[in-house]
Amino acid sequence: NAGVTQTPKFRVLKTGQSMTLLCAQDMNHEYMYWYRQDPGMGLRLIHYSVGEGTTAKGEVPDGYNVSRLKKQNFLLGLESAAPSQTSVYFCASLKTDTQYFGPGTRLTVL
Amino acid sequence: KNQVEQSPQSLIILEGKNCTLQCNYTVSPFSNLRWYKQDTGRGPVSLTIMTFSENTKSNGRYTATLDADTKQSSLHITASQLSDSASYICVVSPNTNAGKSTFGDGTTLTVKP
Repeated sequence: NAGVTQTPKFRVLKTGQSMTLLCAQDMNHEYMYWYRQDPGMGLRLIHYSVGEGTTAKGEVPDGYNVSRLKKQNFLLGLESAAPSQTSVYFCASLKTDTQYFGPGTRLTVL
Repeated sequence: KNQVEQSPQSLIILEGKNCTLQCNYTVSPFSNLRWYKQDTGRGPVSLTIMTFSENTKSNGRYTATLDADTKQSSLHITASQLSDSASYICVVSPNTNAGKSTFGDGTTLTVKP
């Protein structure tokens, strides 16, 4: 049981490039989330999903898209990366009011 | 606007000492309050979760309290250890799916030998 895993762990992009972050969970959880965490700030919700095939906007959705084609995977896409998207991205899944977080992806946009 | 405020922002204590971290919130409606521990470079890990009817919950040396009337919570750490050095995050949710959760900025605790 690997819990929540994220790929990649680190990435450097140039402004305007695109990329996809992958989150996978093997706990059969319905709910999944993408957050960003900036230095000295709390986690902010980007998008979330309440089940396979569903997605919903969070607090800071602009510049990001998501897909949940399979229950175990939640993808976060950046179509045209901007320096303001430099951050640490965390994925989480939820069961019985407890969220389980992945190890994070550190993204730098130059 | 829903807000979660944590204090202090940072705290340094000596190993073996106790400490208390504070969380005040204005989230409404209220479903549950969670405390997480986040080690440097890692994702948050759940410590406790409390609903409206619970006013205390323990997890080993960690004890969380909740006063839903004053909208305050505290996390008490007993007999601190070096491994307690981390950021402690308070999260308040108005529903059960966490989609509308409000995160505090965290308290950074440093335990020194």
